[in-house]
Formats: sequence, structure tokens, C-alpha cells
Amino acid sequence: DAKTTQPPSMDCAEGRAANLPCNHSTISGNEYVYWYRQIHSQGPQYIIHGLKNNETNEMASLIITEDRKSSTLILPHATLRDTAVYYCIVRVARNQGGKLIFGQGTELSVKP
Amino acid sequence: GAVVSQHPSWVICKSGTSVKIECRSLDFQATTMFWYRQFPKQSLMLMATSNEGSKATYEQGVEKDKFLINHASLTLSTLTVTSAHPEDSSFYICSARDSSGRASYEQFFGPGTRLTVL
Repeated sequence: DAKTTQPPSMDCAEGRAANLPCNHSTISGNEYVYWYRQIHSQGPQYIIHGLKNNETNEMASLIITEDRKSSTLILPHATLRDTAVYYCIVRVARNQGGKLIFGQGTELSVKP
Repeated sequence: GAVVSQHPSWVICKSGTSVKIECRSLDFQATTMFWYRQFPKQSLMLMATSNEGSKATYEQGVEKDKFLINHASLTLSTLTVTSAHPEDSSFYICSARDSSGRASYEQFFGPGTRLTVL
């Protein structure tokens, strides 16, 4: 699976959009981009995933560049409860046996 | 959404004893479960992939005789840390893959088990 690079930490003001970048320059054509987050001392929580089109759900939006070498997770209106470590993971599809391998992630601090 | 539970949520044991951690998928069947370990201020490290009815597949560097994995049913996988030592103290997290494929993201995580070895 391709390796990802994320900034180690970011701050965001409460109520503002949080934009978390991820570089995955070695991504292959059959690999998806997944985002999970982990609130302190809890198990990871799925946020969103995509292949090449932008995706949006009730939690966030995922913007993938046309060359698929990077992506941005957008939390449109960050709240204090969004403070967590956010992991960007690249992996092959489930039916190809892909495992979730976690990198170091970005520690997002949402401040009042 | 699908729920994965772990038991116990925390455990303290003496050095040299064995500890069993259970991972259950509560409302779905999981032919595949995964075990991760997380040390303080670090990311999750995949330890092994547990397949129902067959032997687990361990990641490189993980001692299979120390971390025994059993996946005897479609809803239960267990991780036994044998002869635990203080360096085994960690946060152990399991995840389960929905066999039906109904969920597009298909892998659900448990809340974790905090192991402290004295």
C-alpha cells in the first residue's frame, strides 16, 4: 500500500472549516484514500473514503486532486469534539485484501 | 452503525501471567478481524489478521507464540498475551470486517483494551 504524509499537528478555531492535507504521491490506480480519526483513548472512527471523485457525507468532505497524489479532508464547521488525531490511509479495495495501515496522522486541536 | 465490543476495557496483571482480550462483532458477522497495538503518543500498529476457522496471519516482527489469536466464530476473536511483561503494556484495539459487505467502509473498530503489566 502507498505511503501517506500528513502534517503532525494543526490548530483550528471553533466554527471554522478545518482543512487537513494528505500527500500520497505513490498511490496506485486501484488504491482508495480513507480517512479515520481517533479521539483520545478510543478506537478509530471512520470518516470518509474515495477513489478519484470528491466525496461528501454528514461528517466531512474529501477532495482528491486530479492526479490523485494528494487529498484534503474538510470538516466544514469544526467543533471542540472534533479534536482528535486524523489518519489518512491508502489501501486497495476490500476484495483485494487491503489492510488498514496507519501512519502518524495529524493531531487536530479545535480551540474556542 | 455496526458495533464492535472489546472485553475487558482495561486490565492490570502481574508480570509472567497471561491475559485474554475478547473482540466481538455485535450485529454483524466478521470472517476477518484485525488486532492492533498502540503505545502512548504513537500510531496504531497492525499486529495480525484473524480469519475465522483458520490460523491468523501475523505482521513482520510480531511473535505469534506470544500473541495467540483465536477466531473460533463469526462474531468472536480473542487475543491472548502470554507471559506478559511490562513492555507489553499497551492499548490493544481490534477491528472487524463486515462479511456481508453491506457497509461501504466495511471495517469497524472496537473501543480498545488498556493492558498494564506490573
